[in-house]
Formats: sequence, C-alpha cells, structure tokens
Amino acid sequence: EVQLLESGGGLVQPGGSLRLSCATSGFTFGDYAMSWVRQAPGKGLEWVSGIRGSGDSTYYADSVKGRFTISRDSSKNTLSLQMNSLRAEDTAVYYCAKDQIFYGGTAFDLWGQGTLVTVSS
Amino acid sequence: DIQMTQSPSSLSASVGDRVTITCRASQSISSYLNWYQQKPGKAPKLLIHTASSLQSGVPSRFSGSGSGTDFTLTISSLQPEDFATYFCQESYNTPWPFGHGTKVEIK
Repeated sequence: EVQLLESGGGLVQPGGSLRLSCATSGFTFGDYAMSWVRQAPGKGLEWVSGIRGSGDSTYYADSVKGRFTISRDSSKNTLSLQMNSLRAEDTAVYYCAKDQIFYGGTAFDLWGQGTLVTVSS
Repeated sequence: DIQMTQSPSSLSASVGDRVTITCRASQSISSYLNWYQQKPGKAPKLLIHTASSLQSGVPSRFSGSGSGTDFTLTISSLQPEDFATYFCQESYNTPWPFGHGTKVEIK
C-alpha cells in the first residue's frame, strides 16, 4: 500500500527544537522529490521545504530558512525535518507529501495524515 | 513571490448544484495550477493538475480550466461528499503558493 506516515510532533517551548519523521512505503522512494507542507490551525496550506529524490538539492520557504533542515534516508525510505529555534508562528499540522512532476509543474499527489507541532510556553 | 487569490472564501450550495470556484494569480503562471480538496481533519487530496487535467481516480464531475492568471474549478453536480474546502496552488516555482481556500458548505 502506498503510504506516508508522519511522527515526532508535540509541544515544544519557543526557541526549542523538534525532529519530524515521515516513513514511506509502496513506491520507489528515491525516484521522487518530497516536501513538507504545514497548516496552522484554521488556516491555509504553506509549503515549507522540499528535497530532490537524490537528496542533493534542498529548498526552503523564507519563513523557515536557516532554522529548518530537510533530509532523507534512502536506506530507510524516510524523510525528516529538523526544526530549530521554533516560534509560536510555527504551530501547525505538518504534512509529509510526495512530489509528482506534471509537464514541468509540481503537484503533491500523496499526503500523510499530518503531525501537530505546538510551540508554546 | 506570486500571490494566489481565491474567491469566494466560502459558499453555500445544495446537492445537485453546479459550483464554480475562481483562483487568480498575481502574474501569469501559464497552466501551472493545481487544485486540492480537503475535508475536516484530513490531509488534502489532489484533484486537478496543470490547470485542467483530472488526477487519476477523481470523479469526472470535477473539472478545471484557465491559463495565465485566471483559473476555475467547477463541480458540475455537487454531491454530499464534495462538501469540503478547496485550495489552488501554483506549481512552477517554489514556494509553490496556495490560495487561502474556498469552503463549500451545505445550504
């Protein structure tokens, strides 16, 4: 079964760190770029970070650049997001998503169930 | 960065109605536009890619159109399972911005 399963969310104090993981199955992990997309409570969707299938290129939204680091482990078919210097505005459900290229454009065709990150003192 | 503006932000409709949602980009994005459906407490689901191509497994009552800056998602005959929030997304350049969403509610 094709599946993405996030873990690692929780409550953290401002300035703290958290590491999210996404276990993948049912597709050839190394063939696809992957992304993290977040959704603040009651708000819209925001792409956070992406990484190529080879792992050699990473991309970040300006809002997290310098604080978050995306990585992947092809031996474990796992995607990760290391989040440092967390702020209240980082509070959101974080989704792991599989990138699919259609005619040069990127869509997210498979999503995990999400993991909630709450940044609060 | 490109800004995506959806309208309306919400609408009320009845089962069987034809529903149209609009998405406008702040500059031309050719056909690099995707549509997603999200139900409460669930992850988004890809409906339409490249402005008008139906994702595999999505019912044919969903359709997309447009190019350049103006795009439309149409549901030809609204079904009970279609009550959800719909998001557009620019798909050519990071940060791949999303619209703020359109909530389709039961009238």
